[in-house]
Amino acid sequence: SQQGEEDPQALSIQEGENATMNCSYKTSINNLQWYRQNSGRGLVHLILIRSNEREKHSGRLRVTLDTSKKSSSLLITASRAADTASYFCATDSNRDDKIIFGKGTRLHILP
Amino acid sequence: NAGVTQTPKFQVLKTGQSMTLQCAQDMNHEYMSWYRQDPGMGLRLIHYSVGAGITDQGEVPNGYNVSRSTTEDFPLRLLSAAPSQTSVYFCASSLESDGYGYTFGSGTRLTVV
Repeated sequence: SQQGEEDPQALSIQEGENATMNCSYKTSINNLQWYRQNSGRGLVHLILIRSNEREKHSGRLRVTLDTSKKSSSLLITASRAADTASYFCATDSNRDDKIIFGKGTRLHILP
Repeated sequence: NAGVTQTPKFQVLKTGQSMTLQCAQDMNHEYMSWYRQDPGMGLRLIHYSVGAGITDQGEVPNGYNVSRSTTEDFPLRLLSAAPSQTSVYFCASSLESDGYGYTFGSGTRLTVV
């Protein structure tokens, strides 16, 4: 079964607004990553947060990690049309070398 | 520096046929993996490799074989194609399994009729 589950499944917001999507996972992890996938393309790595980190920033992206709740959130500030994509979280368990993806959140930025 | 190269980009197979999806990376990455992506299912791990000569099963390995004879190449073999294997297949690599982001290939869209 899949380790990470993103929430919501789909999200539509106005350009300029902030977008928040969440990821919950089941087992203890070493790291959690977020990826973006534009329609019909491969995935692009956005950010990695380690299990001993609580928050990380990269440009307009802010990722938080709460290992006690086994959850992470990805915040995209000041959204742009180019942010329209699917976003996936991926976790690597501390029990094996598998990197498991969730089902993703489809983000649509409205003009 | 080409990154991760997957071939072919598109393929149509008849049920029962076999084929190999190719994946090559030129970044000297130790960790490589194959995923399939189906609508509403996200990416599911098929097989992965932590280095040359070492492979292991992922979440959905049945019907697929892999080998890793070199660091650069990680081919995925479909033994006897079935319509349920119609999907988009992605190969990905990273420096190691722990603590590094993946570089993804552009995918192979496979249809089994």
